[in-house]
Amino acid sequence: DQQVKQNSPSLSVQEGRISILNCDYTNSMFDYFLWYKKYPAEGPTFLISISSIKDKNEDGRFTVFLNKSAKHLSLHIVPSQPGDSAVYFCAASFNKLIFGTGTRLQVFP
Amino acid sequence: DAGITQSPRYKITETGRQVTLMCHQTWSHSYMFWYRQDLGHGLRLIYYSAAADITDKGEVPDGYVVSRSKTENFPLTLESATRSQTSVYFCASSEGATEQYFGPGTRLTVT
Repeated sequence: DQQVKQNSPSLSVQEGRISILNCDYTNSMFDYFLWYKKYPAEGPTFLISISSIKDKNEDGRFTVFLNKSAKHLSLHIVPSQPGDSAVYFCAASFNKLIFGTGTRLQVFP
Repeated sequence: DAGITQSPRYKITETGRQVTLMCHQTWSHSYMFWYRQDLGHGLRLIYYSAAADITDKGEVPDGYVVSRSKTENFPLTLESATRSQTSVYFCASSEGATEQYFGPGTRLTVT
């Protein structure tokens, strides 16, 4: 049973526009959420995180929103750049990290 | 070099062979992890270790063995490789159970 779900396997966005990546979870015990970015032939790299006591965290072009009542988090990238093209994994933590299946973002000129 | 390294980066082996994937980190992080990445499954935890000589199972531990005699090393052994273990394997380390730093991965093919 998938505790962390990324229902969109891919997303295509024009350069300069907003990219919104979504993630749903089922376990209300998760207390920390993270987004990772992965380029081909490389390991995932940490992007941004949010504690369950917050509903928003911002870092430059990246903002993560957490809606605990809906068990939903999203990653907003504004403005999107071609270098943002990668696979994005959301992850939720309660003792261990549980990863979603990933969303492939393509940013085109 | 500082960071987390994995070796080999690519490995082809035959069914039934024993294979060991190596992981080394220079940060002296307490926690180390092994994941496998497969299409449709994302990253799944195989084993993890909270400190030297302390290891625990993750979501998909069957067919794998780990050890951690030194803080910096966390090898993963496939005792008798099967085709279902064809995957990309990632090692990670962290100071806590949250933000983890990943190695570059090992692509393993079992024929």
